[in-house]
Amino acid sequence: DIQMTQSPSSLSASVGDRVTITCRASQGISNYLAWYQQKPGKVPKLLIYAASTLQSGVPSRFSGSGSGTDFTLTISSLQPEDVAIYYCQKYNSAPFTFGPGTKVDLK
Amino acid sequence: QVQLVESGGGVVQPGRSLRLSCAASGFTFSSYAIHWVRQAPGKGLEWVAVISSDGSNKYYADSVKGRFTVSRDNSNNTLYLQMNSLRPEDTAMFYCARVASSGWSHPFDIWGQGTKVTVS
Repeated sequence: DIQMTQSPSSLSASVGDRVTITCRASQGISNYLAWYQQKPGKVPKLLIYAASTLQSGVPSRFSGSGSGTDFTLTISSLQPEDVAIYYCQKYNSAPFTFGPGTKVDLK
Repeated sequence: QVQLVESGGGVVQPGRSLRLSCAASGFTFSSYAIHWVRQAPGKGLEWVAVISSDGSNKYYADSVKGRFTVSRDNSNNTLYLQMNSLRPEDTAMFYCARVASSGWSHPFDIWGQGTKVTVS
């Protein structure tokens, strides 16, 4: 099975900072990669799919890139409401594995 | 509006069974594959199982294979997860989640609020 890893596992940044999270698949998954945001006590929310396509209603400060095995989620200017755990996920085929998550909080 | 509502969670002893339900509304339930995803307390998301739109294809995570069974009733817009031989490590919030389009290979765009399962 394909394994998903994320780095860093956590980060602290200031409001307005550019934040980058990396996700790596152990084998190529083309662009079948999604990013989810889970705020404390809330349900996961789809942010980006097909590695770089923004889900409707998601602020444009979020962006994604990558293909194959290496992917990136970028928040161009961190806002207080972005404090959350971010998960990547492969969805090309079963098992539909999630990465371990990256916790983002404010410095 | 488009909605998924889970139910059936609770406290159960190890080795016992529990059946979760996920009621769908606001969309054509029979057109979408639906997944189960769980999250243990303080832990990350773990994919559990998926069932195709017509119920003919199912896949499971290795951690639940042989113990959990996913099914659906398209006439009643309801998804089920039958969980047998429960273990303490199955303690988690269980979410049902819809794929964003017909077929398998799509992200999960609609999530329920979750139902909590405690095995103790």
